[in-house]
Amino acid sequence: GALVYQYPRRTICKSGTSMRMECQAVGFQATSVAWYRQSPQKTFELIALSTVNSAIKYEQNFTQEKFPISHPNLSFSSMTVLNAYLEDRGLYLCGARVGNYAEQFFGPGTRLTVL
Amino acid sequence: GDQVKQSPSALSLQEGTNSALRCNFSIATTTVQWFLQNPRGSLMNLFYLVPGTKENGRLKSTFNSKESYSTLHIRDAQLEDSGTYFCAALNSGGSNAKLTFGKGTKLSVKS
Repeated sequence: GALVYQYPRRTICKSGTSMRMECQAVGFQATSVAWYRQSPQKTFELIALSTVNSAIKYEQNFTQEKFPISHPNLSFSSMTVLNAYLEDRGLYLCGARVGNYAEQFFGPGTRLTVL
Repeated sequence: GDQVKQSPSALSLQEGTNSALRCNFSIATTTVQWFLQNPRGSLMNLFYLVPGTKENGRLKSTFNSKESYSTLHIRDAQLEDSGTYFCAALNSGGSNAKLTFGKGTKLSVKS
């Protein structure tokens, strides 16, 4: 079956520091990987969509300078939160799918706490 | 306004009863997904729908693309059904197609 792993599951960083999180698709080829943030009391905000052989598309309010993403192959993606501050706290979820309109599978998330 | 409006925001059910959750879409939607998020944050895939209906055990979901809505019916609710349910709509953006989530329905099933 399709599985998505994320690492680490939880992390704490000091305000102003950076933190890298990873996403691994197992059992399928993730042609598209979407990174979301779920803040406390809020729904899911799409940060960016990365599709193999296309430029990474960032949503409004999110930039490559703040959330650089790497998607080097069909099973792995990583995202870094640079200069993390309190407003960056939340659960970061990675969703992967095969093809443009296929079912999307999510990892368990990386919960980021900023002190 | 919200592109995916989910209702109700919270729901309390007695064990053994039935209920329905609904999502209305104001964006052109090609497919719909329903998820259940557990307290630790993990999203479990419940349904992936093109226009039509699917059933899985006590759950049944419909996506009506003409009227831009989707429903999730829960029959004979059990304690383990408690959690937050999310619907999500995939737009028609091709390689940029993105999944937009509703704000969720927090379901509590009581004995």
